[in-house]
Amino acid sequence: DAGVTQSPTHLIKTRGQHVTLRCSPISGHKSVSWYQQVLGQGPQFIFQYYEKEERGRGNFPDRFSARQFPNYSSELNVNALLLGDSALYLCASSLQNRFTEAFFGQGTRLTVV
Amino acid sequence: GESVGLHLPTLSVQEGDNSIINCAYSNSASDYFIWYKQESGKGPQFIIDIRSNMDKRQGQRVTVLLNKTVKHLSLQIAATQPGDSAVYFCAEVPPRGSQGNLIFGKGTKLSVKP
Repeated sequence: DAGVTQSPTHLIKTRGQHVTLRCSPISGHKSVSWYQQVLGQGPQFIFQYYEKEERGRGNFPDRFSARQFPNYSSELNVNALLLGDSALYLCASSLQNRFTEAFFGQGTRLTVV
Repeated sequence: GESVGLHLPTLSVQEGDNSIINCAYSNSASDYFIWYKQESGKGPQFIIDIRSNMDKRQGQRVTVLLNKTVKHLSLQIAATQPGDSAVYFCAEVPPRGSQGNLIFGKGTKLSVKP
């Protein structure tokens, strides 16, 4: 069974550029969330989408945006990249039932130079 | 792969010993908690969860304890193995939130000596 898949696995971008990260959830999962994990810290919540609607947003600037498609896959977009955006970006999918765990993908390692 | 464990508290144990990893959570009204294991270069992997109406839950070689009075979670790993070496995070689901917007703790790096 395929788990949560993310692409690309690694990415190097220059300051000021734009980046798009992609996530495919586990089959049957309609909720997708994005997290940013800076080296040495725990993941920080960015967005949650469910049924193509934004259901939650963390404390991130408007340069960060996301969307969910009819097949429940999702994209995270970051504009005007800063050096501080360098991090591991994680996607998690889950059932909407509150008391079930979220499953994480391997992440996309973004390096901004 | 690149380590996620830099600058994190480290627990070093001998293979075969029991490990106890502690976590303080932030919101007294949070009602669902999850422990994740993260190996270098990988995403977090589910270990065990517990709801706030319980104070203990056991899995295979792992036990989670919840103390709501002091907002504290612990993860106990029995007979720790080299494959248990990783960074461990607790995560909480805040009130009116869901498992889609977890709040993660700081993490502890577990190092198992053979």
